Amino acid sequence: EPEVTQTPSHQVTQMGQEVILRCVPISNHLYFYWYRQILGQKVEFLVSFYNNEISEKSEIFDDQFSVERPDGSNFTLKIRSTKLEDSAMYFCASSVADGTYGYTFGSGTRLTVV
Amino acid sequence: KNEVEQSPQNLTAQEGEFITINCSYSVGISALHWLQQHPGGGIVSLFMLSSGKKKHGRLIATINIQEKHSSLHITASHPRDSAVYICGGGSNYKLTFGKGTLLTVNP
Repeated sequence: EPEVTQTPSHQVTQMGQEVILRCVPISNHLYFYWYRQILGQKVEFLVSFYNNEISEKSEIFDDQFSVERPDGSNFTLKIRSTKLEDSAMYFCASSVADGTYGYTFGSGTRLTVV
Repeated sequence: KNEVEQSPQNLTAQEGEFITINCSYSVGISALHWLQQHPGGGIVSLFMLSSGKKKHGRLIATINIQEKHSSLHITASHPRDSAVYICGGGSNYKLTFGKGTLLTVNP
């Protein structure tokens, strides 16, 4: 069964450093998403992306965050200057259409900012 | 603003028991999703439904649009069903999730 692949599975970074979280969505999917889950809290929406532009973003997704589909297969989330509160599990997801047929989630990247 | 509430927050059952997890949501949801989160953190999508009922193996999801309520049932529960079950809904581009229900099934 096709999978959404996320790398790395765990990343530790110093506060203030830039990080890039990588995702390879399912090949025929057109819509891409990032969600995050701070330890012990809800899964929260960050951003959705379609046709090379952001469809919707949450209040969390401020100027420190950006997304890109650099090469037609990868989908990346960049955090420019990490803060301690960015420590969370970040999930990538993709869908065939606009979520109407469901989502496939990746296994997540655990980001630890120290 | 879309809100999603789940109950119970924690549920402990004996193997073989019938499990029900409830989810209520506010307006603005086009479809309701049920997810399973394993202890390691990975998320698996179980169901997406906008009406009626869906079944997959021992799992059944129902939704009542008028009452804005969905239930996830597990028949003949097994210790491997132990996980966090999360419901979520929203627009086609964005999902809002509940806090999850931690299910523990004891042998």
